[in-house]
Amino acid sequence: DQQVKQNSPSLSVQEGRISILNCDYTNSMFDYFLWYKKYPAEGPTFLISISSIKDKNEDGRFTVFLNKSAKHLSLHIVPSQPGDSAVYFCAATQGAQKLVFGQGTRLTINP
Amino acid sequence: DAGVTQSPTHLIKTRGQQVTLRCSPKSGHDTVSWYQQALGQGPQFIFQYYEEEERQRGNFPDRFSGHQFPNYSSELNVNALLLGDSALYLCASTAGLGFDTEAFFGQGTRLTVV
Repeated sequence: DQQVKQNSPSLSVQEGRISILNCDYTNSMFDYFLWYKKYPAEGPTFLISISSIKDKNEDGRFTVFLNKSAKHLSLHIVPSQPGDSAVYFCAATQGAQKLVFGQGTRLTINP
Repeated sequence: DAGVTQSPTHLIKTRGQQVTLRCSPKSGHDTVSWYQQALGQGPQFIFQYYEEEERQRGNFPDRFSGHQFPNYSSELNVNALLLGDSALYLCASTAGLGFDTEAFFGQGTRLTVV
């Protein structure tokens, strides 16, 4: 039972343009959502998060949007840079319990 | 400031054997969680340790067990290894039990079962 889904295994974007990564979830009890970034041979690193009481959170070039009615969140990266090339995981948690991860989306930024 | 460190980085074991993986949490963190990441998948929660006790557990069989030491470091033990146990094993640490604080991950241990 995949409670958090990232339906795009990969995404290719030109440098300087916007990257939009999507994530859907099924458990309406999730109350906190996070995005992690993972480079090869490294562990995931925290990027940005959002509480279910908000619909947007911004941190520099990264913005996360949450649409609770659609059970959908997205990560926007503007402008995209070559160093953003990595695998991005969305994760969700309920009552600060275990993190439930999506399958990941491999983002490639082309020069 | 050392982050989360895991050892070993790579390991090859034979089916049926037992394996122990180790994790030292980030300085100041007292809670350790373990995840299994199969190829092409996201990390899956195995269990969490706090105050030397298992606090939460995911859908993993009893072959997977763990331990936390007084210095907050942790071990993951897997008995009777199966081919399907081949994966990247990630350790994450937090300050306290909640995941609404930023979890720091180690680089992982790549386990191959042959």
